[in-house]
Amino acid sequence: AQSVTQLDSQVPVFEEAPVELRCNYSSSVSVYLFWYVQYPNQGLQLLLKYLSGSTLVKGINGFEAEFNKSQTSFHLRKPSVHISDTAEYFCAVRNRDTGRRALTFGSGTRLQVQP
Amino acid sequence: AAGVIQSPRHLIKEKRETATLKCYPIPRHDTVYWYQQGPGQDPQFLISFYEKMQSDKGSIPDRFSAQQFSDYHSELNMSSLELGDSALYFCASRGGGTRRFDEQFFGPGTRLTVL
Repeated sequence: AQSVTQLDSQVPVFEEAPVELRCNYSSSVSVYLFWYVQYPNQGLQLLLKYLSGSTLVKGINGFEAEFNKSQTSFHLRKPSVHISDTAEYFCAVRNRDTGRRALTFGSGTRLQVQP
Repeated sequence: AAGVIQSPRHLIKEKRETATLKCYPIPRHDTVYWYQQGPGQDPQFLISFYEKMQSDKGSIPDRFSAQQFSDYHSELNMSSLELGDSALYFCASRGGGTRRFDEQFFGPGTRLTVL
């Protein structure tokens, strides 16, 4: 079984400030890790993913995340946010091995960028 | 580029009625996933299909059924609707040339409101 914990339900931040959205996971097997963004009344869009290799992953819109196996974390960061980054962000995991390939999502973090 | 298409985008039903949601995956994608996202909640996996066969089952109620057809589109059938079924229903597809990147592409969702 897998679970994802996003510790912050809401993160208010001023425009051009850095931001970190935290994600921790628990799994008895190896996992792939994902971050999705959901803008109001829209579907989920993939920001970035970690499958293997370098633990620092760069995604779209200037976001990056670092996989830390020892801390079972996959925190999302952006050095300078824009108003347009205001959205809901979901961390998700998926079983790396064959079998269940569905995503398990965290509860989401609402990023509110203020001018 | 073609994306995942879901229809209808919005649906209003009354309690105890039935509803059918449709999902058209990206061309050459052979795998479809259904997720349910309740108000203010994270998406929950319902069911998935690979090559027209059910490949995995999540928290799908017995009142719901789904199938994938020969053209790979999928339908989620919901009967005896309850107020708690009001949610955003996402379909995601996977496969084709992007299979190795292990990415699920999400549709815009169908917002079901049960009155």
